Amino acid sequence: QVQLVESGGGVVQPGRSLRLSCAASGFMFSNYDMHWVRQAPGKGLEWVAVVRYDGINKYYADSVKGRFTISRDNPKNTLYLHMTSPRAEDTAIYYCARANWSIYGWFDPWGQGTLVTVSS
Amino acid sequence: EIVLTQSPGTLSLSPGERATLSCRASQSVSSNSLAWYRQKPGQAPRLLIYGASSRATGIPDRFSGSGSGTDFTLTISRVEPEDFAVYYCQQYSSSPGTFGQGTKVEIK
Repeated sequence: QVQLVESGGGVVQPGRSLRLSCAASGFMFSNYDMHWVRQAPGKGLEWVAVVRYDGINKYYADSVKGRFTISRDNPKNTLYLHMTSPRAEDTAIYYCARANWSIYGWFDPWGQGTLVTVSS
Repeated sequence: EIVLTQSPGTLSLSPGERATLSCRASQSVSSNSLAWYRQKPGQAPRLLIYGASSRATGIPDRFSGSGSGTDFTLTISRVEPEDFAVYYCQQYSSSPGTFGQGTKVEIK
């Protein structure tokens, strides 16, 4: 079945780095644009970043631009989010999601999420 | 950037009642590029509706979406126990795609 599984979350100190992964299965990963969306504790959904199907073009929310890097490895069916210089306000559950129909199309499926806590 | 405003913030209903959720956009959403998601506590969001009115695979027909332009509605004809959750709308007609702030459907 179509599935996304995130990993790599945990506690990270401000200013350190962390890499999240999202393993895809059940569909042709290299055909789809992929996103990261986050949700701070008790808050709503915030789009973070997108990488085109071929890994070339990438776009970011202003809140993470210059600090986070989205990438993908199509032969490994894996999406990544490299977080550098994290701040307390980056504390959230991070979800990966597949875009449908267009680069910013509807998201389906979503992974189960991985929690990142930025704290000293 | 298109801003989506959902109302009400919280909807208190009894099982079996009808739920009507609103999503208003700050500017027109072209091609009815609007989706709805349900998020149960402790779970990831799940797609319910895309293209403003098309049900996603496996979504029961008690869920329906309508609207165009700047005003969209999600209707649950008879709320079931698993429908007590938070609902988000999302527009994907212009970049970046944006979400509404959510409507919580709670048990009355």
